[in-house]
Amino acid sequence: GQQVMQIPQYQHVQEGEDFTTYCNSSTTLSNIQWYKQRPGGHPVFLIQLVKSGEVKKQKRLTFQFGEAKKNSSLHITATQTTDVGTYFCAGSPNNNDMRFGAGTRLTVKP
Amino acid sequence: EAGVAQSPRYKIIEKRQSVAFWCNPISGHATLYWYQQILGQGPKLLIQFQNNGVVDDSQLPKDRFSAERLKGVDSTLKIQPAKLEDSAVYLCASSLGQPSTDTQYFGPGTRLTVL
Repeated sequence: GQQVMQIPQYQHVQEGEDFTTYCNSSTTLSNIQWYKQRPGGHPVFLIQLVKSGEVKKQKRLTFQFGEAKKNSSLHITATQTTDVGTYFCAGSPNNNDMRFGAGTRLTVKP
Repeated sequence: EAGVAQSPRYKIIEKRQSVAFWCNPISGHATLYWYQQILGQGPKLLIQFQNNGVVDDSQLPKDRFSAERLKGVDSTLKIQPAKLEDSAVYLCASSLGQPSTDTQYFGPGTRLTVL
């Protein structure tokens, strides 16, 4: 079945450093969504990418969708302690179901 | 706007016992999802409802798990009998329509511990 893989599993950075997490699918995705889950919390929607090669920005966060619509990335510039949490990508190969990656857990040292 | 409500927030049971979780989605949301999130992993979709019909239950262990959404609003997820490996957070989410176009809003989850 369709799998969504995320790397790295963990990332520890010094505050102010950049951070990137990557998401790869074995099949072409109709769209991809990114969620953030704070420790002890529940996933919260960040953004959705639909078009091939699409790039979207939210302040210090940059999201990209690959040309082949099989991979995506989330890049955070100049991390802050408030960025701590686990970042999940979730991809849909069709219009019916969404599969989550295992997530990348980000810790930020002040 | 009220969010997705779930109860209970925590549940501790012994293996082979039964347990049920309840979810009330955001008003007007047609699609409801149940996810299982084991510690350190991403949410795994168990079942997805569109109104009161099942859209996807391919990853639901049907020998012990069941779910219903009889009136197309609230939903319950049941485990009978529970196993140790069922210890996880059970997340309910809802969206206006289909997941490929709509944001999923998650509830706080129910943390299940099976002893």
